[in-house]
Amino acid sequence: AIQLTQSPSSLSAFVGDRVIITCRASQGISTSLAWFQVKPRNPPRLLIYDATTLETGVPSRFSGSGSGAHFTLTIASLKSEDLATYFCQQCDSYPLTFGGGTKVEI
Amino acid sequence: EVQLLESGGDLVQPGGSLRLSCAASGFNFSDFVMSWVRHVPGKGLEWVSSINGIGSNTYYADSVKGRFAISRDKSTETLFLQMNSLTVDDTAVYYCARRKGVWSPYSAHWGQGTLVTVSS
Repeated sequence: AIQLTQSPSSLSAFVGDRVIITCRASQGISTSLAWFQVKPRNPPRLLIYDATTLETGVPSRFSGSGSGAHFTLTIASLKSEDLATYFCQQCDSYPLTFGGGTKVEI
Repeated sequence: EVQLLESGGDLVQPGGSLRLSCAASGFNFSDFVMSWVRHVPGKGLEWVSSINGIGSNTYYADSVKGRFAISRDKSTETLFLQMNSLTVDDTAVYYCARRKGVWSPYSAHWGQGTLVTVSS
């Protein structure tokens, strides 16, 4: 199975900060990667797919980059409502796998 | 509007069984791959299983293979997850999810989840 390693596992930042989360795959997955936001008591929310494409309705301060085995999620200017845990997921092959998550604290 | 409504979560003893359901509406159910994903609050997300539109192909995480079975009923537009030989590690909120598009591999539509607690 393809393993995804996210870093950091948690971070604390201020409103307005630029936040970067990294996801590394154990093998190349082209751009078959998604980013999800999970808030307590809510289902996951798709933010980015195909590594770089912003899902409809997601604020433009979120962006994704990368291909192959190295990916990043960037929040350009952190807002208080961005308090959540962020997960990457590879959709290149079964079994689908998620990264371990990055908890963002404001 | 795509709607997914899970049910069937409960408290069950280790070794027990449970059947989860996900009622789908607002789209052509048979066109889409459907999945189950679980989340342990405070911990990670884990993909559990997926099934293609006609139910002929199924996929499972290694952690549930041989114990869980995914299925779907076209007539009632319902997705199922039969869970047997449950362990405490299966405790989680279980979500059903639909892909963004017929040919997209990404889950963009999610239910609100149903809680499964495995405990003696």
